[in-house]
Amino acid sequence: DIQMTQSPSSVSASVGDRVTITCRASQRISNWLAWYQQKPKKAPKLLIYAASSLQSGVPSRFSGSGSGTDFTLTISSLQPEDFATYYCQQPNSFPLTFGGGTKLEIK
Amino acid sequence: EVQLVESGGGSVQPGRSLRLSCTGSGFTFGDYAMSWFRQAPGKGLEWVAFIRSKAYGESTEYAASVKGRFTISRDDSKTIAYLQMNSLKTEDTALYYCTRVKATRGDYYGMDVWGQGTTVTVSS
Repeated sequence: DIQMTQSPSSVSASVGDRVTITCRASQRISNWLAWYQQKPKKAPKLLIYAASSLQSGVPSRFSGSGSGTDFTLTISSLQPEDFATYYCQQPNSFPLTFGGGTKLEIK
Repeated sequence: EVQLVESGGGSVQPGRSLRLSCTGSGFTFGDYAMSWFRQAPGKGLEWVAFIRSKAYGESTEYAASVKGRFTISRDDSKTIAYLQMNSLKTEDTALYYCTRVKATRGDYYGMDVWGQGTTVTVSS
């Protein structure tokens, strides 16, 4: 199984800050990496697929990068609606696996 | 509007069965692989089961924790995906999400549509 490790597990930031979340895969997964945002009591929402492709309708302040085993999600200028939990996932090799999540909180 | 709506959750005793349904609308259901995920209270996301489209033989995949107990299926004529859950355990307690798979030619990019979830509670 491919293990996905996210860091940090939580981060505090202010509106307007730039935030980066990292995700590491236990083996090379090329660019098979997705990022999701989940707000309390809501279903997850796909933000990024194929490591760096922005899902339709997602604001351009979200970006993804990386290949192989190391990936990052960057939010260029935090907005109030961005405070949520973020998950990475490798979606193309079974069993599908997620990182443990990064909770982004208001400072 | 593209939408998935889950139903069938509830409270059951350990060892009993439950069938979840996921009704899709606003898209050509039969063209997509579908997958179920779950999230235990206060925990992260866990993949449960996956079914490919008819074009890929409706073949299935399961997480080790549910293999042999859960069965995923689909009825494209009704635009419904099912998750039959047998021999339920307390550790199956979670919010279960149905998802549409974003894919191209058998490669999977992620889950681009999620339902609102249905709660399963297994307790004596």
